Amino acid sequence: QSVVTQPPSASGTPGQRVTISCSGSSSNIGIQTVNWYQQLPGMAPKLLIYNNDQRPSGVPDRFSGSKSGTSASLAISGLLSEDEAEYYCAVWDMSLNGPVFGGGTNLAVL
Amino acid sequence: EVHLVESGGGLVQPGGSLRLSCAVSGFTFSRSWMGWVRQAPGKGLEWVANINQDGSEKSYVDSVKGRFTISRDNAQNSLYLQMHNLRAEDTAVYYCASLRRGPWHFDFWGRGTLVIVSS
Repeated sequence: QSVVTQPPSASGTPGQRVTISCSGSSSNIGIQTVNWYQQLPGMAPKLLIYNNDQRPSGVPDRFSGSKSGTSASLAISGLLSEDEAEYYCAVWDMSLNGPVFGGGTNLAVL
Repeated sequence: EVHLVESGGGLVQPGGSLRLSCAVSGFTFSRSWMGWVRQAPGKGLEWVANINQDGSEKSYVDSVKGRFTISRDNAQNSLYLQMHNLRAEDTAVYYCASLRRGPWHFDFWGRGTLVIVSS
């Protein structure tokens, strides 16, 4: 059980907008930036969002991130079947000097 | 193009040792923090260890402290994870990744190497 909590599953239909939440505390998300990773089935994780809301080059603008207080969110608009994947949030833990990952959210495109 | 290629995984008995390697190309390895992240079968991601550019600063998750050692060879553009006293719960795919600081993020990842600890 991670100190950063995500819903285990989410779903949407093609074209819809879905949001995945990431809940932490004042000692992690409250004071550190949040990243989001996408892991397609059988593949390595891929950086989707860093520094709460920044997209690396090549990531479509359908993906957006936000943070407020001790929670963060990943929004995916114009949902595509290829977005079916596991999504992880992550936040730096200063006491570990390393990151903590959320448990992951399995996104199904119905 | 950036490439990170892990190797060295395999089947090992409980209590055994294994050394993972990660060959890097496509960016200036010697200027990059690096890390290892693992994923047990059917489970989520777990950070394992980080190392700074010259190897003078290392951090580990509590569950591997005293058993795993992260190291690097900047001349060979390679990252390593020496694992001793392996346990069944260390069974996982191990990914190496480049770690950017300020703000932090793992930006490039390898495909991973599978470690199975079983008798």
